[in-house]
Amino acid sequence: DTAVSQTPKYLVTQMGNDKSIKCEQNLGHDTMYWYKQDSKKFLKIMFSYNNKELIINETVPNRFSPKSPDKAHLNLHINSLELGDSAVYFCASSLRDRENSPLHFGNGTRLTVT
Amino acid sequence: SQQGEEDPQALSIQEGENATMNCSYKTSINNLQWYRQNSGRGLVHLILIRSNEREKHSGRLRVTLDTSKKSSSLLITASRAADTASYFCATDGGGGSEKLVFGKGTKLTVNP
Repeated sequence: DTAVSQTPKYLVTQMGNDKSIKCEQNLGHDTMYWYKQDSKKFLKIMFSYNNKELIINETVPNRFSPKSPDKAHLNLHINSLELGDSAVYFCASSLRDRENSPLHFGNGTRLTVT
Repeated sequence: SQQGEEDPQALSIQEGENATMNCSYKTSINNLQWYRQNSGRGLVHLILIRSNEREKHSGRLRVTLDTSKKSSSLLITASRAADTASYFCATDGGGGSEKLVFGKGTKLTVNP
């Protein structure tokens, strides 16, 4: 299936721990994103990568570090997790040079920090 | 902030009725997009309307755009229980899709 897939779907961890979320897309897109959706469903962009190069970093704490080993993968590592990091994290992809290219989203990773 | 604002926040209708959701935004745009999010799932792109378009149709969906008022509406005709979801508008702020800004969404419930 062509899709954006992210793992794990659920992640429960304690404050202070370090965790990673992985994302892969097989749509041939060149741009990938991480979005954070809070408990009120507000969706906010965190990072965007184009061909492995960071193009958007939206004032996200340094504890969040994205890594893109190739244009089909964009992982998110979070250090020293805090209660406020609890949210659903969505990976997405698109074609940057195609006008009006819509975003394709993964099904999200629900992170719960206790 | 360029963030879109959907209205209403929640909408409950009966199957067969039409559902209208509105979106207002603050900056100039190249295009405006609507997405649907089913519970526990990612967002799915529904329809895109360019800034030089006023109306667009796709199946039971009808989107209008009024750039003078910086607003858009999404109409779902003959709604079905399967249309139950949250609906979000997203604007590009005059740039590309790499910086889409989403509104807070309208939660639509279609009762069978």
